[in-house]
Amino acid sequence: AQSVAQPEDQVNVAEGNPLTVKCTYSVSGNPYLFWYVQYPNRGLQFLLKYITGDNLVKGSYGFEAEFNKSQTSFHLKKPSALVSDSALYFCAVRDDDKIIFGKGTRLHILP
Amino acid sequence: DTAVSQTPKYLVTQMGNDKSIKCEQNLGHDTMYWYKQDSKKFLKIMFSYNNKELIINETVPNRFSPKSPDKAHLNLHINSLELGDSAVYFCASRSRGNTGELFFGEGSRLTVL
Repeated sequence: AQSVAQPEDQVNVAEGNPLTVKCTYSVSGNPYLFWYVQYPNRGLQFLLKYITGDNLVKGSYGFEAEFNKSQTSFHLKKPSALVSDSALYFCAVRDDDKIIFGKGTRLHILP
Repeated sequence: DTAVSQTPKYLVTQMGNDKSIKCEQNLGHDTMYWYKQDSKKFLKIMFSYNNKELIINETVPNRFSPKSPDKAHLNLHINSLELGDSAVYFCASRSRGNTGELFFGEGSRLTVL
């Protein structure tokens, strides 16, 4: 079965600094990987996906993610964090018709 | 227009009661899902329907019964509510032909007393 792991429960970053939220995956075959963001009391919003092609994928709100096959990772990145980026971030993988989510990483951007 | 809408947003009820949550999407998607998010924010898939046909049932207790009258609607009925059913339930949809990104509703917070 496909799965993703998010090793960090929480990440704290100062505003203006680069941020990274980590995700590793375990799949058989080619992975379909996603990042979603959840703001308080809201539903999840799609940020970006990797299907095939370039290892660096760009998404919404200035986020990007780097697919690394040798390290089985798909880390979410942003060059300069904003306070408004503070939210819960989920990595996800597609397993046939299922989208399986990691446990989430809470991102705090400190002013 | 809200793409995926759920009602009610909040639901407080007593143990043993029966309740329903409704979901509608106006995106023209073929596939709809129910996810449960617990107090630790873990998201667990429960059910999925494609064009009114059940395609995923993740060993959810049979007190939970999804119903899809058409591909734009997926409702969730819960019988004999238990304390452990307290959670936020999210409806989501996606186009079957796409690579998998989901569109989520805003969630329905169920509290069982």
